[in-house]
Amino acid sequence: KAGVTQTPRYLIKTRGQQVTLSCSPISGHRSVSWYQQTPGQGLQFLFEYFSETQRNKGNFPGRFSGRQFSNSRSEMNVSTLELGDSALYLCASRGWAVQETQYFGPGTRLLVL
Amino acid sequence: EDQVTQSPEALRLQEGESSSLNCSYTVSGLRGLFWYRQDPGKGPEFLFTLYSAGEEKEKERLKATLTKKESFLHITAPKPEDSATYLCAVHPNNDYKLSFGAGTTVTVRA
Repeated sequence: KAGVTQTPRYLIKTRGQQVTLSCSPISGHRSVSWYQQTPGQGLQFLFEYFSETQRNKGNFPGRFSGRQFSNSRSEMNVSTLELGDSALYLCASRGWAVQETQYFGPGTRLLVL
Repeated sequence: EDQVTQSPEALRLQEGESSSLNCSYTVSGLRGLFWYRQDPGKGPEFLFTLYSAGEEKEKERLKATLTKKESFLHITAPKPEDSATYLCAVHPNNDYKLSFGAGTTVTVRA
């Protein structure tokens, strides 16, 4: 079974721009979560989508948004990029049951100049 | 608020030198505790899920245990390929998200 895939793998943007990241979950998984990982803050939860509905949201500004499509693929958007948004953005998918394991993708490395 | 603390921050081992990593947690009801391994520049790789105190799981040189307040990841006779950052995460009963610890970076020298 193919794992979680994320595109693009690397991105370089400048301050003020916006960016869209994509995540395709494991086949059959309906839940997609997004995390931001930085050396200083570690892994921090952004939001989770289940069956196209946002089920949970972390403590990030409104510049961070997401959505999920009917095929469970998810996108994350960051508008008005700031230098501090440079990070590894990770997507994780999970099956139907909430206690199931989350499996992570390889991440998208975003550098904001 | 859920808290996950991992110790030590870094661990340098000689090949074959067994050791343990600690993950202590404070959560209002534990649905599950997860261990992941992360190599530089890659996404976390799932290792174990533990659901109740007293539970143990093993995989090759790794063994994870769980009590009501902490979890241990034991590395027996490690090899250089076990070098990685090991992350612990808790899934509370009243939430959908995982809360992660800062991780323990393990370096195994040949």
